[in-house]
Amino acid sequence: GENVEQHPSTLSVQEGDSAVIKCTYSDSASNYFPWYKQELGKRPQLIIDIRSNVGEKKDQRIAVTLNKTAKHFSLHITETQPEDSAVYFCAAEMYNNNDMRFGAGTRLTVKP
Amino acid sequence: DAGVIQSPRHEVTEMGQEVTLRCKPISGHDYLFWYRQTMMRGLELLIYFNNNVPIDDSGMPEDRFSAKMPNASFSTLKIQPSEPRDSAVYFCASSKGRQLFFGSGTQLSVL
Repeated sequence: GENVEQHPSTLSVQEGDSAVIKCTYSDSASNYFPWYKQELGKRPQLIIDIRSNVGEKKDQRIAVTLNKTAKHFSLHITETQPEDSAVYFCAAEMYNNNDMRFGAGTRLTVKP
Repeated sequence: DAGVIQSPRHEVTEMGQEVTLRCKPISGHDYLFWYRQTMMRGLELLIYFNNNVPIDDSGMPEDRFSAKMPNASFSTLKIQPSEPRDSAVYFCASSKGRQLFFGSGTQLSVL
């Protein structure tokens, strides 16, 4: 089955700086890569996703990049704000499989 | 839409007791997932259903865990007997496309 590795496990940045979280996956058949944000004590929620036919996707201050050859994808947050502080999970899923596997999570702290 | 509804929000029980967690998916969603979240292991997929049929239960840790989905609007995850190492947050999620919608989770503490 799919195995997703995520780094770093914790990340602390100053407000206004950028944050980058990286993930690798093992199964080349995976073709859907979402990112979920979980605020303290709350449920994970989808913030952005990318499919394997796209190399990059942006949504305001958030961007994801995908390198299918190397089997890794990254989340980039620019101009970080204290409300970006949360645990971020990457995930990978094979087409028509619906078996979503998550990375271990990254705890991001944005210091004001 | 009320979203995915889980109950109870918190459960404290003693080792050896039976625990039943409940989930109501979003109406119209045809996939339902049970995840377990711990600090050590993150979000682990336990089992998922498609149209009420279990598709993959390879993540269920052992025979003490069982899950059912008797109809499209209800699922249970049962642990019998419970052990302290089962303490975790258990999330139910549903989907129709590829986006997962999570419930609020059940915080389980087994003493």
